[in-house]
Amino acid sequence: RKEVEQDPGPFNVPEGATVAFNCTYSNSASQSFFWYRQDCRKEPKLLMSVYSSGNEDGRFTAQLNRASQYISLLIRDSKLSDSATYLCVVSSGGSYIPTFGRGTSLIVHP
Amino acid sequence: NAGVMQNPRHLVRRRGQEARLRCSPMKGHSHVYWYRQLPEEGLKFMVYLQKENIIDESGMPKERFSAEFPKEGPSILRIQQVVRGDSAAYFCASSPLPAGDYNEQFFGPGTRLTVL
Repeated sequence: RKEVEQDPGPFNVPEGATVAFNCTYSNSASQSFFWYRQDCRKEPKLLMSVYSSGNEDGRFTAQLNRASQYISLLIRDSKLSDSATYLCVVSSGGSYIPTFGRGTSLIVHP
Repeated sequence: NAGVMQNPRHLVRRRGQEARLRCSPMKGHSHVYWYRQLPEEGLKFMVYLQKENIIDESGMPKERFSAEFPKEGPSILRIQQVVRGDSAAYFCASSPLPAGDYNEQFFGPGTRLTVL
């Protein structure tokens, strides 16, 4: 089993739709969780950190489920500009090496 | 405050040549990570360095690849005797503290290496 797994997609949704991605991780000692966004042929950029209590930033909501070992990202009212690849990143306690998932591709169409 | 800088942005090499990739971290950042990304693949960790020290190189191929982060100047990822399979995007990321523990990494624009 891979350390961090994501459905590669693509998720094809119309503008205004709500879309959710999940990411599962295998190491129960994992402590830090992030969602990064990567546009085509660009560098990854931090979208949001994912805390145990969950967090929300505008149209984006991230949740952590430790019992089932997954994190989720919910995007409401999708915009064309949300089209990108969303990378799940997990760091384990005591390790300074983050593990990146392969990413989930989102395409928002008019 | 300038972001992470990488150069060159594009590099073309013939098989057997050497490739040198440079990364200047953000000001005040002493932790540098190198990643490789193949088309349609995720980021793969290669090496983690602090000033003058290699902390973890577990993701680096044993041969032909080396990295350094000298006291002065940028971090360098060096690939000797390149082969076609080395063609990829190489990203550098820096942070003021070690990644993990909710410390964000800041990525450079990457160097796209093409081996002919």
